[in-house]
Amino acid sequence: AQSVTQPDIHITVSEGASLELRCNYSYGATPYLFWYVQSPGQGLQLLLKYFSGDTLVQGIKGFEAEFKRSQSSFNLRKPSVHWSDAAEYFCAVGAPDYKLSFGAGTTVTVRA
Amino acid sequence: GAGVSQSPSNKVTEKGKDVELRCDPISGHTALYWYRQSLGQGLEFLIYFQGNSAPDKSGLPSDRFSAERTGGSVSTLTIQRTQQEDSAVYLCASSLGSGGTEAFFGQGTRLTVV
Repeated sequence: AQSVTQPDIHITVSEGASLELRCNYSYGATPYLFWYVQSPGQGLQLLLKYFSGDTLVQGIKGFEAEFKRSQSSFNLRKPSVHWSDAAEYFCAVGAPDYKLSFGAGTTVTVRA
Repeated sequence: GAGVSQSPSNKVTEKGKDVELRCDPISGHTALYWYRQSLGQGLEFLIYFQGNSAPDKSGLPSDRFSAERTGGSVSTLTIQRTQQEDSAVYLCASSLGSGGTEAFFGQGTRLTVV
């Protein structure tokens, strides 16, 4: 079965600074990978996903993520953070015939 | 509507009462998930339905929790003899297939047990 680890529980970043959220997965074959965002009081929204092909994927809100098979990672990045990016971010791994598995989440605080 | 719909959006119940939470998935989605999110916590997996397969109930925290999915569509999560620790937001998600496809989430039901 697949699993996901998000090593950082909480990250604080200054507005305008870059952001990187870590995600490590465990799965024997090529996984399907997802990043979701949950803004305060909101539901979960898909930021981006990786199925195959180009290992650098672009998402909404200026986010991107890079799949690195050698490191079993799928880290999320944003070059310049806005105050509205303060939220909780969840990484998820999936595979055909398996349910999606979510990480514990990383809370991002943006300071002015 | 086009999205996942959950009802009620808020539910306050007395300790010991039973509650039913409803999820209407996106039409045609064969997979359906229930998660629980306690204050400041991540997503706690509860149960997963996929097509006609037996549901994965491995996340249900106790036998007070049960869920069913009728006709491969609407799902109901039932909590019997509610306890204060059951207070949380219960999220439902559906997807077109299994874990190889993205899940779409509802807005959740906020359950408060008093």
